[in-house]
Amino acid sequence: QLQLQESGPGLVKPSETLSLTCTVSGGSISSSGYNWGWIRQPPGKGLEWIGSVYYTGSTNYNPSLKSRVTISVDTSKNQLSLKLSSVTAADTAVYFCARLSEILRVTDYWGQGTLVTVSA
Amino acid sequence: QSVLTQPPSASGTPGQRVTISCSGSSSNIGSNTVNWYQQLPGTAPKLLIYSNNQRPSGVPDRFSGSKSGTSASLAISGLQSEDEADYYCAAWDNSLNVYVVFGGGTKLTVL
Repeated sequence: QLQLQESGPGLVKPSETLSLTCTVSGGSISSSGYNWGWIRQPPGKGLEWIGSVYYTGSTNYNPSLKSRVTISVDTSKNQLSLKLSSVTAADTAVYFCARLSEILRVTDYWGQGTLVTVSA
Repeated sequence: QSVLTQPPSASGTPGQRVTISCSGSSSNIGSNTVNWYQQLPGTAPKLLIYSNNQRPSGVPDRFSGSKSGTSASLAISGLQSEDEADYYCAAWDNSLNVYVVFGGGTKLTVL
């Protein structure tokens, strides 16, 4: 059974860079036909797509976040990572990593999510 | 402001049938399939419906989905108390390659 687990600091200071890692187990991040993405959810609000990466390193980002986001993949560790720079309180959210099936065009597996709070 | 539009709330009594709508545009729902997610408090979204009307293994057939043009609907029949949750629609958007858009979510209350 595929499992995704997010990890990283739960507290980040304003103007700094948020960094998270997602470890994939039970399957290979190098499998063809799948992208790996990040989605966030501010407290009490809806879901927002951040971006995704293919195992080759090819990326796609939400235009509203593109200038601050970097998503990368480490196939040797079966991990993907997220870096979000110049954070503000508006970036406080639960961050989920997820798998996207290109064929079915669906996000089918999700991590449990990790809360990141931006505060001094 | 979410790209896909859902009603913020819906409700029903046990045993009833409820529907949740999702409205988009030609670049997302109009040209891609729609997926639905159920999110219980404090948990990750769970895939409920994919490819407009397909249920993953383990999802009861009380849940069904449909799509017409640039709109989609999720129907829940035989409403149960454990169905009380937030429901989100989602679709890929062609405006920028692999780019997923979500609805704002609908809070379903079982009265």
